[in-house]
Amino acid sequence: QSALTQPASVSGSPGQSITISCTGTSSDVGGYNYVSWYQHHPGKAPKLMIYEVSNRPSGVPDRFSGSKSGYTASLTISGLQAEDEADYYCSSHSSSSTLVVFGGGTKLTVL
Amino acid sequence: EVLLLESGGGLVQPGGSLRLSCAASGFTFSSYAMSWVRQAPGKGLEWVSVISGGGGTTYYADSVKGRFTSSRDNSKTTLFLQMNSLRVEDTAVYYCAKVIRSNNYYGLDVWGQGTTVTVSS
Repeated sequence: QSALTQPASVSGSPGQSITISCTGTSSDVGGYNYVSWYQHHPGKAPKLMIYEVSNRPSGVPDRFSGSKSGYTASLTISGLQAEDEADYYCSSHSSSSTLVVFGGGTKLTVL
Repeated sequence: EVLLLESGGGLVQPGGSLRLSCAASGFTFSSYAMSWVRQAPGKGLEWVSVISGGGGTTYYADSVKGRFTSSRDNSKTTLFLQMNSLRVEDTAVYYCAKVIRSNNYYGLDVWGQGTTVTVSS
């Protein structure tokens, strides 16, 4: 069981917007602004899409945005494109014995 | 170009040891913490460890604490993961990754392609 809770799957049509949630506790998501989001196409290296809740690394389209409210962080993808179909993982700093925790991952399907 | 290249994966029996390497290039290696992340077959990403830029500070996931040791040779811009007392559940693709900011351990902006570790008798 992963420390952070994500929906197993989400889907959307091209051009639409979707949001993936990532729920933790006061020991991780709720207590710190060190939430990251990764895109992972099977067989390839994961790619950082968002760091520190809402910052986009250079080269990541502004269609990708991050936010946080309470114990839940969210990744929103607007103007969905076929190439966005992938697995998405959130991670956070944790004050528990494990410094960094990941969510279980969300499979995004572009219909 | 910033690159990370892992090596050292392979097949090992339960209880055995393996040492992974990650050769880095294209950035000031000693200025950044480096992490290991793994993905078991059919499972999600799991954070394994992080080591500070100078190598003096390390953190580990509970699942590997006491069995795995992360180290680095900044003169050779290489990261290592020494894995001892390996278990079947350590079977995974292991990625090394660089943190995006030089002053913390969070947000992994550059990843290697991964090396596969299989623990089986």
